Amino acid sequence: GAVVSQHPSRVICKSGTSVKIECRSLDFQATTMFWYRQFPKQSLMLMATSNEGSKATYEQGVEKDKFLINHASLTLSTLTVTSAHPEDSSFYICSAIGSGGRRNTEAFFGQGTRLTVV
Amino acid sequence: QKEVEQDPGPLSVPEGAIVSLNCTYSNSAFQYFMWYRQYSRKGPELLMYTYSSGNKEDGRFTAQVDKSSKYISLFIRDSQPSDSATYLCAMSAPSSGGSYIPTFGRGTSLIVHP
Repeated sequence: GAVVSQHPSRVICKSGTSVKIECRSLDFQATTMFWYRQFPKQSLMLMATSNEGSKATYEQGVEKDKFLINHASLTLSTLTVTSAHPEDSSFYICSAIGSGGRRNTEAFFGQGTRLTVV
Repeated sequence: QKEVEQDPGPLSVPEGAIVSLNCTYSNSAFQYFMWYRQYSRKGPELLMYTYSSGNKEDGRFTAQVDKSSKYISLFIRDSQPSDSATYLCAMSAPSSGGSYIPTFGRGTSLIVHP
């Protein structure tokens, strides 16, 4: 299967600071990337969908000014949590879909990033 | 009603048991059906991928899709403690932009005890 690398796997930051999470597709071109948030023992909550070169589409209730998503290339998308607060502490996961054949119907996931805001 | 319904469990079974995990859905446009396994604090990994109705087997895992009933299942034979994880079903249909955006169930927590 295709490989999606997410970095960092764990980050602790102070309240009020910003944190950037990177998601890279290593062996395919990711035409669409998704960002999810997951609370303990809960399912994946889709935050936003981004297509390369265009603005992300945010799900209802997700603040686009707080969760900045950039998908500048076919292999990299970033999620920046701005002015982080303790309630932003969560597990953030990216996934990517490519193009051609099975690649545009199968989502590959990163390893996830555990964000703790203190 | 959510588009995809999945019982969160937990489902606890003894080692060696046959496990049945299920999801129902309401959107008849779904074409691709997937099962992901997620260990604690890890990203989900794809287990099974099927298109349309029918069965697909891979080792101890069998995925079943019944589009007429809008019902999908994952069977795990000879379950092992290492199978203990959360299992998420997912399904997708083409969006207006042509991408297939997956819709996930909330996941079923499976515990296989020795």
